[in-house]
Amino acid sequence: EVQLVQSGGEVKKPGESLKISCKGSGYNFSNYWIGWVRQMPGKGLEWMGIIHPGGSQTRYSPSFQGQVIISADKSMSTAYLQWSSLKASDTAMYYCARRGPGDHGGSDYWGQGALVTVSS
Amino acid sequence: DIQMTQSPSSLSASVGDRVTITCRASHSITTYLNWYQQKPGKAPNLLIYAASSLQSGVPSRFSGSGSGTDFTLTISSLQPEDFATFYCQQSYSGYTFGQGTKLEIK
Repeated sequence: EVQLVQSGGEVKKPGESLKISCKGSGYNFSNYWIGWVRQMPGKGLEWMGIIHPGGSQTRYSPSFQGQVIISADKSMSTAYLQWSSLKASDTAMYYCARRGPGDHGGSDYWGQGALVTVSS
Repeated sequence: DIQMTQSPSSLSASVGDRVTITCRASHSITTYLNWYQQKPGKAPNLLIYAASSLQSGVPSRFSGSGSGTDFTLTISSLQPEDFATFYCQQSYSGYTFGQGTKLEIK
C-alpha cells in the first residue's frame, strides 16, 4: 500500500528554522516526483514546488522560490521542506503529494498534512 | 504563469442534483488538467486526471471534460458524501490550482 507519512505539527517563533519531512512507502520512492502544497487557514491550495528523489531535480513555484528549500534523501525514502527563517505568514498546513504515473499525472497520494504555527 | 479560475466559488445543491463546476485556464493547457475533492480537515483526493480520466476508486458519477482553456467537472447525482470543496489544477507548465469551489447542502 502506497503511503506518505508526514512529520508532526510544529509550533515555532518568527526567525526560527524548520525542516519537515514526508516519508514514502509501498512503492519505489526514487521513481516518482514529490510535491509540496501549502494551505493557509481557511484558504485554498497553493503549489510550492516539486522534487524528483531519484535525480534531485527540483522545481519551485515563483511565489516560493527563495523562500523554502525542497530536498530528498532517496536512501531514506523521505522528502523535506525547510525554512531558514520563519515568518508568521508561514502559518499553514503543508501537504506532500506524489505525482502519479504518466505524462498528465495528478497527485495520486497525499500525506496527512503537517500544521506549522509561527507565533511569538 | 498560468492562472486558473473556477466558477462558481460556492454552490448550494441537493442530494440527487446534477452539478457542474467550471475551470478556465489563462492559456491553453491542452488536457493537462486535474480535479481534486477536499473535505474539511483532510488532504485533497484526486478525482480526475488528464481532464477526463477517472482516478481508480472514484465513483463513476464524477466526470470531467474539456481541453485547451475550458474544463468542467460534473457530478451526475449528488450523494451526501460529495459535499466538499473542489479544486482544479493545471500540470502543463508547473502546477497551479484554481481558487476552489465549495459545494454545500441546500
